[in-house]
Amino acid sequence: DSGVTQTPKHLITATGQRVTLRCSPRSGDLSVYWYQQSLDQGLQFLIQYYNGEERAKGNILERFSAQQFPDLHSELNLSSLELGDSALYFCASSVAPGGASTEAFFGQGTRLTVV
Amino acid sequence: DAKTTQPNSMESNEEEPVHLPCNHSTISGTDYIHWYRQLPSQGPEYVIHGLTSNVNNRMASLAIAEDRKSSTLILHRATLRDAAVYYCILKSGNQFYFGTGTSLTVIP
Repeated sequence: DSGVTQTPKHLITATGQRVTLRCSPRSGDLSVYWYQQSLDQGLQFLIQYYNGEERAKGNILERFSAQQFPDLHSELNLSSLELGDSALYFCASSVAPGGASTEAFFGQGTRLTVV
Repeated sequence: DAKTTQPNSMESNEEEPVHLPCNHSTISGTDYIHWYRQLPSQGPEYVIHGLTSNVNNRMASLAIAEDRKSSTLILHRATLRDAAVYYCILKSGNQFYFGTGTSLTVIP
């Protein structure tokens, strides 16, 4: 158990809908990362937050947004969903904002299926 | 971030050592070498990381070439639970950029 909690574990929704994925980082970790894993793209970095502030952006679509709350949990909002958004979404956390020597701890993921 | 090259797949017999290679010829002086693994239907799991010297922990050993252009993850005794995709990642900033990794099959 990595200590990172993601909910829900599974989500099925229709095209055009909006969903929210939730992540609770490990106790004491201030940094949260979101990743998308699809069969044809592998693990893609989406966005990082550190202590409530956006720290870095990766390949995140404009239809997607995220935030980190004062209690350090984070939410990833996906809107106007398309079939191609079906994927596993992982959250990871680390103590520090990052840096080359920092390891991250990943949650079990949320499997999103868009029908 | 610099790229890494790993074999797509490898096989090992149970209870034998496994050497998973990674080439990173464009590594820069500030890049750390990280290894993560992903078991089926689970999130990536930290294995080990290092900069220049060889590193050991309870899960594995990391052997880093003197010129740092390659590294090898060593699992000393493979078990069936070690069957996973192993990712070698060069990290210089905050994010991890995952490649395609090596899918390790452990044969009983």
